[in-house]
Amino acid sequence: ETGVTQTPRHLVMGMTNKKSLKCEQHLGHNAMYWYKQSAKKPLELMFVYNFKEQTENNSVPSRFSPECPNSSHLFLHLHTLQPEDSALYLCASQAGGQGSDTQYFGPGTRLTVL
Amino acid sequence: AQKITQTQPGMFVQEKEAVTLDCTYDTSDPSYGLFWYKQPSSGEMIFLIYQGSYDQQNATEGRYSLNFQKARKSANLVISASQLGDSAMYFCAMSPNQAGTALIFGKGTTLSVSS
Repeated sequence: ETGVTQTPRHLVMGMTNKKSLKCEQHLGHNAMYWYKQSAKKPLELMFVYNFKEQTENNSVPSRFSPECPNSSHLFLHLHTLQPEDSALYLCASQAGGQGSDTQYFGPGTRLTVL
Repeated sequence: AQKITQTQPGMFVQEKEAVTLDCTYDTSDPSYGLFWYKQPSSGEMIFLIYQGSYDQQNATEGRYSLNFQKARKSANLVISASQLGDSAMYFCAMSPNQAGTALIFGKGTTLSVSS
C-alpha cells in the first residue's frame, strides 16, 4: 500500500463511451502524474500537475482530458478512445515536485478499448 | 536528450543467489536522480531504491543495492539472496532535479526466480 489509490482497477469501454479514471493520494504530496504503459513499451508521461497547476502535457491527444480539483485528487477523462489506447494507466504522486523526490505509484487502471 | 537503457530483457536466477540488473543512462544535466522500481504482474509500480548524482556512497535498502558508477553512467541494481517473490519486471528510471519533472523509464528487465 503506497498511499496512492486508483479506481477502477479494470475498465472495458467502447470507442463511443465516456469514462473517467480516478487517482487519490493520501500522502500530502503536491505533484501528481499520469503515465501510460503500453505492452512492450517504456512508461510514457502524459500529464503533470504541480500544486494543482498543469505543468506538462506530453503531446497527448485531446480525447484524454485531465482534471486536478485539489492536490489529493487527479482524474483522467476519456472519450472517443481508440483500440490503441488500451494500456495500463498509472498515477503517481510526489512530495514537493522536486526531481529527487520519489514518485509513488498507484496500482494502475488496466483499460481495454473495444 | 535523456535516455535510460536496460539491455537485459530477461534474467533468470535461483533462490538465494545474487543477481545484477543492468542500467545505463545518458544525460547532460549535472544534477539528477536515479530510481529502481519493481512491477509485479499485478501492475503496481513499487519503489525500491534511489541514488542522487552527487551521492558519494552507493545506495542500499535491505537486499537491494545500487552499484553507481558515474563516469560510466551506469546504475546497476544488485539483489542479494533472491526470493521467489522477487520475480517481476524491474525498471530503471531517471529524473533531473527540477520541480515537477517526470521520470524517464527504461524498457525494463523481467526477473524470474526459481526454486
